[in-house]
Amino acid sequence: KNQVEQSPQSLIILEGKNCTLQCNYTVSPFSNLRWYKQDTGRGPVSLTIMTFSENTKSNGRYTATLDADTKQSSLHITASQLSDSASYICVVSATDFNKFYFGSGTKLNVKP
Amino acid sequence: EAQVTQNPRYLITVTGKKLTVTCSQNMNHEYMSWYRQDPGLGLRQIYYSMNVEVTDKGDVPEGYKVSRKEKRNFPLILESPSPNQTSLYFCASSLGPRTEAFFGQGTRLTVV
Repeated sequence: KNQVEQSPQSLIILEGKNCTLQCNYTVSPFSNLRWYKQDTGRGPVSLTIMTFSENTKSNGRYTATLDADTKQSSLHITASQLSDSASYICVVSATDFNKFYFGSGTKLNVKP
Repeated sequence: EAQVTQNPRYLITVTGKKLTVTCSQNMNHEYMSWYRQDPGLGLRQIYYSMNVEVTDKGDVPEGYKVSRKEKRNFPLILESPSPNQTSLYFCASSLGPRTEAFFGQGTRLTVV
């Protein structure tokens, strides 16, 4: 069964600290993996996208890693800001299915 | 500006009264999809469309209909809404099922 699991469900950190969010998937055959940021009540916005051959991709203070062998990805946020408070969603695509598989997200709260 | 536009943003309706949520994109994308988002469940796909006149069921299609008569529009129809369809709905579009998806602002539907 194709699934995407994220951990932790929620996370509280202090402004300026770093954090890492995890995504494990069983989607096969794997096509690509994306991380999205979703502010409360708004549509998700893409942060990074990685294919099978890529193991690191950065977007400013966001760095995503992918280990296609263990089917794990992480999103590292450096020097967090209050505006990073949001849900972060891992989305995986398979090569032979016309759909996306969504994780349930990690809710990050950055406190001053 | 490239965007996906949903209307209305907020809707309160009564059980059984047919309604339509519109979705329009200006990026000439072929792939469009509808999702609902409920607390603790993440985004779940309702229907998707690979191109004009080509639609298919997602994970939770019961109680919903869609149509794709034009490339830019992908309305979501609830023929007889029920309270369990109270949710936050998102429309998304992309070049294909494995490329970056662009999401609308969301429609918060309440069925009483």
